[in-house]
Amino acid sequence: GQQVMQIPQYQHVQEGEDFTTYCNSSTTLSNIQWYKQRPGGHPVFLIQLVKSGEVKKQKRLTFQFGEAKKNSSLHITATQTTDVGTYFCAGRWAGGTSYGKLTFGQGTILTVHP
Amino acid sequence: KAGVTQTPRYLIKTRGQQVTLSCSPISGHRSVSWYQQTPGQGLQFLFEYFSETQRNKGNFPGRFSGRQFSNSRSEMNVSTLELGDSALYLCASSPLGGGLGELFFGEGSRLTVL
Repeated sequence: GQQVMQIPQYQHVQEGEDFTTYCNSSTTLSNIQWYKQRPGGHPVFLIQLVKSGEVKKQKRLTFQFGEAKKNSSLHITATQTTDVGTYFCAGRWAGGTSYGKLTFGQGTILTVHP
Repeated sequence: KAGVTQTPRYLIKTRGQQVTLSCSPISGHRSVSWYQQTPGQGLQFLFEYFSETQRNKGNFPGRFSGRQFSNSRSEMNVSTLELGDSALYLCASSPLGGGLGELFFGEGSRLTVL
């Protein structure tokens, strides 16, 4: 089936360092979403990207969607301890008359050392 | 506006038993999706219901089933429980469904199978 590969699986950073997680699909996505799950919590929506080459920013977070709509990235500038958690991408493929669904990547667990 | 409510939050069952989990979506949301979350497998899509119809199904055995009522509340059932069914079961509601819009997750039902 269609999968979204997300790397790295784990990332440990010192507070103030930058962080990036990547998602890749072997086939073109119709849209991709990003979620954050704090330890012990549930996933919370961050953003959705739809257009080829799209770049969106939310304060210290920058989200990109590749030109071919097969990859995406989330970059956090100057991490803070509040950024700790697991970051998931979730991709959707458009396919004829099939009803789409979101398939989640494995997630990147971010640890921030103060 | 109330969020997505899942009950029960925690439950312990033994192998061979069955379990029913409940999800009340955000008012006005017609789509309810279910995901299984385990440390090793991440978030795995179980199924999605939209206006009482199952629109999509993941790769889970027939022991996993669900339904949606006319008020959009949803239930999922797992019969003949196995040890490997121990997981956090997350419900998410959405106004659009089909992976098109933001998913609003509940806190989850944590199932332990002994």
